Amino acid sequence: AQSVTQLDSHVSVSEGTPVLLRCNYSSSYSPSLFWYVQHPNKGLQLLLKYTSAATLVKGINGFEAEFKKSETSFHLTKPSAHMSDAAEYFCVVSLGYSTLTFGKGTMLLVSP
Amino acid sequence: DVKVTQSSRYLVKRTGEKVFLECVQDMDHENMFWYRQDPGLGLRLIYFSYDVKMKEKGDIPEGYSVSREKKERFSLILESASTNQTSMYLCASSLGDRDTGELFFGEGSRLTVL
Repeated sequence: AQSVTQLDSHVSVSEGTPVLLRCNYSSSYSPSLFWYVQHPNKGLQLLLKYTSAATLVKGINGFEAEFKKSETSFHLTKPSAHMSDAAEYFCVVSLGYSTLTFGKGTMLLVSP
Repeated sequence: DVKVTQSSRYLVKRTGEKVFLECVQDMDHENMFWYRQDPGLGLRLIYFSYDVKMKEKGDIPEGYSVSREKKERFSLILESASTNQTSMYLCASSLGDRDTGELFFGEGSRLTVL
C-alpha cells in the first residue's frame, strides 16, 4: 500500500522569497516520486521526478526536491518565487504505471 | 514532445444524456488513463488501459465505461450523465512496461451536467 500527504492545502509567498511545498509519502517498496504543476484550466505538467538515482532532483523553472528516506519526505523548493509560479502543485508516489497515488494538491499563491 | 489532445475543453450536458470524451496521444504510448479532478479531492483514477482493447478499473469506475479500439485513442463514456459527474476530466498517457509512472496529460475537459 502507498499513500502521499501534502501537508499544506495553500501556501502564500511574496515574489522573490523562497518556496517550500511539503510532501510526505508512505510506501512498502522503493517508490518513484514526482511533482507536477497545474496552471489554471490546464493539464498537469511534470516538474521533476525521483527514480532512485540522486536524492537531490532538479526540475524545470528552478524547482528542486530532495528525497529523504529517513523522513519519508519529498519536499519541493525554489529559492526565489516568481509570479508565474502561482499554480497548484501535486506530489505523486508510484510503484509503476498502474499504482500511482496523487496527493490532494497545494495551491501556491504569489503576491507582488 | 508528447502531445495528448482532448477534443472537447468545455461541455454542457443534461442529466441522462450519453457523453463521450475523446483523447488522442501521438507518441505511441502503451498506457492511457482517465482521471477525474475535483477541488479538495485531487485526482482520482477512473479507468486505465495498457493495450488496445484492454481496460482496467481504477478507483471510481462506477457510472463510466471506456473504449480503446486504437492504440492512440482512449474514450471515456458516461452512459447516462448525472449531476454528480460534473467535474474536470483529465486524460494521460505513459510508456509501457518499463515506465516509472511518468504521465503526460491533456489539458482537460470540463464537463457540466445540468
